[in-house]
Amino acid sequence: DAKTTQPPSMDCAEGRAANLPCNHSTISGNEYVYWYRQIHSQGPQYIIHGLKNNETNEMASLIITEDRKSSTLILPHATLRDTAVYYCIVRVAVNRDDKIIFGKGTRLHILP
Amino acid sequence: EAQVTQNPRYLITVTGKKLTVTCSQNMNHEYMSWYRQDPGLGLRQIYYSMNVEVTDKGDVPEGYKVSRKEKRNFPLILESPSPNQTSLYFCASSWDRVKTQYFGPGTRLLVL
Repeated sequence: DAKTTQPPSMDCAEGRAANLPCNHSTISGNEYVYWYRQIHSQGPQYIIHGLKNNETNEMASLIITEDRKSSTLILPHATLRDTAVYYCIVRVAVNRDDKIIFGKGTRLHILP
Repeated sequence: EAQVTQNPRYLITVTGKKLTVTCSQNMNHEYMSWYRQDPGLGLRQIYYSMNVEVTDKGDVPEGYKVSRKEKRNFPLILESPSPNQTSLYFCASSWDRVKTQYFGPGTRLLVL
C-alpha cells in the first residue's frame, strides 16, 4: 500500500493561500491521489483528485510532482470555513482488494 | 437530492446487545464502505462492498459484520458490541473504487 505522510497541523492567515503538502513516495503508476477534508465531526468531503497532471476545480488546486512522490493541495484564498482536517489519500487496488487508507491528516487552522 | 443517510445518528447501548447501523444511498452507487473514526487514529476502513453480495474486509473488521443484499443499502452489524467499539462511524458510497466517495453524516456510538 502506498501510505501518505502529512504534517499534523498547519496555520494559515485568512485570505492567503493555504498549501498543504503530502508525501506518497511509494505510489504506484496507476494510483490516484485524492484529497478530502472533514469539518469538525461531519462526514468527509471530497475536494479534488489527480493522477499525474495538475488539477484545478472550484475548491482547490492539486499540484503533483513529476516523480509523483509528493503533492500539494492549494486553497487559493483561505477562509475561516476552511478550518478542517485535510486528508491525502492514495487509492490502492490489488486484484479485488480495495483497502482505502486514510491517514491522520493535517489539521488546518485559518487565522483571522 | 443525492445523499448517503445513516441511522441512528446517535446510539448508546450496553456490552453484548446486538445492534445494526443502517446506511442507504440514492445514487445507484456500486461501491459502499464503512469507516470508524477515533481520536488520534484518523479514519479506518472496516468493510467495503464492490457490488451486491460482494463484501470484503478493510483494516479493522474484527467485531463487525456487513451485508449487501441490495445496491442501495449496506448495514453495519455489531453482534456483541464491546466498549472498544465506541466510536464515530461513517458510511460512504461511490460509483467504483476510483471515483469520489460520498460520506454520510456519521453515527456516534457509545457502548457501556
